[in-house]
Amino acid sequence: NAGVTQTPKFQVLKTGQSMTLQCAQDMNHNSMYWYRQDPGMGLRLIYYSASEGTTDKGEVPNGYNVSRLNKREFSLRLESAAPSQTSVYFCASSERFGGNQPQHFGDGTRLSIL
Amino acid sequence: AQRVTQPEKLLSVFKGAPVELKCNYSYSGSPELFWYVQYSRQRLQLLLRHISRESIKGFTADLNKGETSFHLKKPFAQEEDSAMYYCALGGFSSGSARQLTFGSGTQLTVLP
Repeated sequence: NAGVTQTPKFQVLKTGQSMTLQCAQDMNHNSMYWYRQDPGMGLRLIYYSASEGTTDKGEVPNGYNVSRLNKREFSLRLESAAPSQTSVYFCASSERFGGNQPQHFGDGTRLSIL
Repeated sequence: AQRVTQPEKLLSVFKGAPVELKCNYSYSGSPELFWYVQYSRQRLQLLLRHISRESIKGFTADLNKGETSFHLKKPFAQEEDSAMYYCALGGFSSGSARQLTFGSGTQLTVLP
């Protein structure tokens, strides 16, 4: 029962490098989300995909792009990494979009930008 | 704008003592409240939601719309309750579904 799988688990980048974080879910969920977790700030929504074929900005989208590759996969791309993007990134999914839907989370990706 | 406030970043209690983790929210629509928990080296997981009105691992939370609060309570804390707890707010506003907004979290430590 994998649920939500994120790769990689850890990554160190240099400023200006690009990288894609991968996320896949095996629960046939329609909606997927990317969050970043920073000390003292909780989880902040970067982008979400309410359903296959749609993506929308969340609270902190600057510097990121996303792709909903298919129903299972939702990737997050940093085109030119900056030290301010050092964070723990979580992918989540829910059966449907909406604030009454419980979300299922992956293990997170710990990303450091030097 | 929807907002969730968890005033305590850190909370320590002794085993067997009651514990209350505070959560206050501001929201203009019909709120849905959740508590999520992240144990050490585990993924974030749903603990409970107000609509279920259930007790999970001895925890309960009551939605108080008058005080706009959704505090998490447990009468007798256990060491295994030590974790990071996040309050989250979702629901509907102007007929549209809203995404979840998370509080900044409270790190609970239960001392032996």
